[in-house]
Amino acid sequence: AQKITQTQPGMFVQEKEAVTLDCTYDTSDQSYGLFWYKQPSSGEMIFLIYQGSYDEQNATEGRYSLNFQKARKSANLVISASQLGDSAMYFCAMREGIETGNQFYFGTGTSLTVIP
Amino acid sequence: DSGVTQTPKHLITATGQRVTLRCSPRSGDLSVYWYQQSLDQGLQFLIQYYNGEERAKGNILERFSAQQFPDLHSELNLSSLELGDSALYFCASSPTVISPLHFGNGTRLTVT
Repeated sequence: AQKITQTQPGMFVQEKEAVTLDCTYDTSDQSYGLFWYKQPSSGEMIFLIYQGSYDEQNATEGRYSLNFQKARKSANLVISASQLGDSAMYFCAMREGIETGNQFYFGTGTSLTVIP
Repeated sequence: DSGVTQTPKHLITATGQRVTLRCSPRSGDLSVYWYQQSLDQGLQFLIQYYNGEERAKGNILERFSAQQFPDLHSELNLSSLELGDSALYFCASSPTVISPLHFGNGTRLTVT
């Protein structure tokens, strides 16, 4: 089974609108971390946001928020007030706990295009 | 700036050759990860080191090898290069168990 699933290969959003990028994960660990990364066309991988499995509140970082639904094993990224510079590839990732080797897993990514 | 340094930024070489990619992790980070990203592909995990020891292996070819040195910098060696090895190679480092990976800017390898 896939550890991280991103079902949206491509998404479009109008500038200034909000967009949700979907991510589901699979783990039997109690302690794990969920992350989102942005990869613009220039190629670098930029860390955006982190959610710990024990965190009760959804993580927020500026215009980014992580909609964490533990029972559904989903960790969707919400980008508010989209900007042209948000056009990029977005990867969801999970880091499992020490018990299972502390591995880091990435999804296949969602390509986001912001339309002026 | 993530604090992870990768050199060189670009590398062009011929099939059959050998290259070495270098990574300096963020200060204090003990874990180093190597990933390969081919054109329009996701990230393929190659190998992880923790404080000089190999911790996990992914889909790393036998032609590829890596090591982490006592000063914690790491090198990825790619030999008998093939056209299909052309890719962006990332190094990432991490300090603790449940923490983000911080990526270098990558080395873009082109095999001609």
